[in-house]
Amino acid sequence: EMQLVESGGGLVQPGGSLKLSCAASGFTLSGSAIHWVRQAHGKGLEWVGRVRSKHYNYATGYSASLKGRFTISRDESETTAYLEMNSLRIEDTAVYYCARQIDTADRRFDPWGQGTLVTVSS
Amino acid sequence: QSALTQPASVSGSPGQSITISCTGTSSDVGGYNFVAWYQQHPGKAPKLMIYDVNNRPSGVSNRFSGSKSGNTASLTISGLQAEDEADYYCNSYTSSNTYVFGTGTEVTVL
Repeated sequence: EMQLVESGGGLVQPGGSLKLSCAASGFTLSGSAIHWVRQAHGKGLEWVGRVRSKHYNYATGYSASLKGRFTISRDESETTAYLEMNSLRIEDTAVYYCARQIDTADRRFDPWGQGTLVTVSS
Repeated sequence: QSALTQPASVSGSPGQSITISCTGTSSDVGGYNFVAWYQQHPGKAPKLMIYDVNNRPSGVSNRFSGSKSGNTASLTISGLQAEDEADYYCNSYTSSNTYVFGTGTEVTVL
């Protein structure tokens, strides 16, 4: 079964940093873009950004609202992608999901991981 | 990039059809055939229901269909069932080479 598994969430103080991982199980991330999406409690989905496949030179793109605080990367083994978050704010508290998109095909996000909770609080 | 506009809630009786709208601009929904719809039950990850406006992935019921006219995309659920009660989000590619989600719609089966 194809699965994505996020990890690395937890409690962090305002101004701190955290790095989330998104690991593929049952398939390789080769040829896939990985998107990060977040959801604050009781709120809607918000697109955070994505890293494209090797075919597209691992190009990244981000939501303008993040103002350069977040960085998405992936390892060359094509099994894991990352979301590094700096200068964290209370409003960054959310469940963070990763999702796969086949980079040279359509624009569907599928599958999704189960999400990892990030809480920014003093 | 502003979120796409969806109605906050839509309801229907079992067996009825309902339609959820998703309104954007010519820079997102209207400019590309890259609109997807996701279903989310409480405490669960989103699930893909429709992609590229009107394509249904394998395993998704044919009671779900998508369409688009101008800057507005729509998701129709036919033969409404209790299990369809969930939140639904549209998503579109944008001219900034980014993606944007809709505000979300809560579907209630009466």
